[in-house]
Amino acid sequence: GQQLNQSPQSMFIQEGEDVSMNCTSSSIFNTWLWYKQDPGEGPVLLIALYKAGELTSNGRLTAQFGITRKDSFLNISASIPSDVGIYFCAGHPSNSNSGYALNFGKGTSLLVTP
Amino acid sequence: DAGITQSPRYKITETGRQVTLMCHQTWSHSYMFWYRQDLGHGLRLIYYSAAADITDKGEVPDGYVVSRSKTENFPLTLESATRSQTSVYFCASSDSGAFPYEQYFGPGTRLTVT
Repeated sequence: GQQLNQSPQSMFIQEGEDVSMNCTSSSIFNTWLWYKQDPGEGPVLLIALYKAGELTSNGRLTAQFGITRKDSFLNISASIPSDVGIYFCAGHPSNSNSGYALNFGKGTSLLVTP
Repeated sequence: DAGITQSPRYKITETGRQVTLMCHQTWSHSYMFWYRQDLGHGLRLIYYSAAADITDKGEVPDGYVVSRSKTENFPLTLESATRSQTSVYFCASSDSGAFPYEQYFGPGTRLTVT
């Protein structure tokens, strides 16, 4: 599948700090999604984006669909200990012939210290 | 509302054995997916299904077989397990209606092949 480059690979921050992570691709995507995975559990959908330039919030989380359609960003404001986990970007390439299957980034591991 | 469930949650098997991982969803979603998650690789698509009796290969299908006789079930079979198939397996589903890209994941099955 089309490779997604997600960065940073890991982050170690203090409670209260803001967090930014991003995902890029070499080809155009028509959908971007962000998931969070807690240890021992399946990924949980946080935000889905469908239009270039779209900015969507879910509580302290804000995600954007890049104008070029080749990237997406996730910001977490005022982090708290329960934000700890692995965050995955996912998307559907516009040239995909795999139904509604998604390509996933390798994840950003977030650690938050009190 | 059970959502999407997987069984077993943990499985240890020997090389060469056949093993079947079960996935069941109660939402009547059209699409179902199988992923494997390995360190350094993120989530990789094994097989997906658009509807009952319709299945297709994903990125890493070799060594796996799927079937979908009923909408709610999507079992994954390892015909002759190998150590390289030691992984965490996730099943997911999505509705083919308004938001077909929004996949919802099960809790995963941790498989160890000895």
